[in-house]
Amino acid sequence: GENVEQHPSTLSVQEGDSAVIKCTYSDSASNYFPWYKQELGKRPQLIIDIRSNVGEKKDQRIAVTLNKTAKHFSLHITETQPEDSAVYFCAASRAGSARQLTFGSGTQLTVLP
Amino acid sequence: EPEVTQTPSHQVTQMGQEVILRCVPISNHLYFYWYRQILGQKVEFLVSFYNNEISEKSEIFDDQFSVERPDGSNFTLKIRSTKLEDSAMYFCASSDSGVDTGELFFGEGSRLTVL
Repeated sequence: GENVEQHPSTLSVQEGDSAVIKCTYSDSASNYFPWYKQELGKRPQLIIDIRSNVGEKKDQRIAVTLNKTAKHFSLHITETQPEDSAVYFCAASRAGSARQLTFGSGTQLTVLP
Repeated sequence: EPEVTQTPSHQVTQMGQEVILRCVPISNHLYFYWYRQILGQKVEFLVSFYNNEISEKSEIFDDQFSVERPDGSNFTLKIRSTKLEDSAMYFCASSDSGVDTGELFFGEGSRLTVL
């Protein structure tokens, strides 16, 4: 089955700096890659997703890149703010099981004011 | 904004007891899911449910687990005889589509502690 590795497990950045979180996946049939943000005690919330027919997607300060050949995808947050502090999860799924997501282990992002 | 709601938020039970976790998916959603997260570990898929039947299930979802949509609004996860290793946060989720479109909306989770 699919295996998703996520790095780093913790990341501290200064406010205004950029943060990058990386994930690799094992199943070449995976074609959907969402990113979730989970604040302490709250539900995971989708912040951005990318499908395998595109290489990059942006939404304001957040961007995701996908390298299908290398089977890795990354989350980029620019101009970080303290409210970006949370746990971020990457996930992957294959066509036909779009909601059977395999999650990464999470990255605790701390943005220092 | 519509949201997925789960009850209870925290349940403590003795090993071997039956537990039912309840979820109210978003009202116009047709696809329902249970995921779980053992403390400090990954979020793991358990089961998906559509049209009153299980669509997919993982290896974790063994005979001790069952799901049901008893009425038009609730979606439940039952664990028949809880084990210590069932202690985890259980997330319900729903979506309006089962294919590569639409967002998966998660509930706040139900924390299960098995003693």
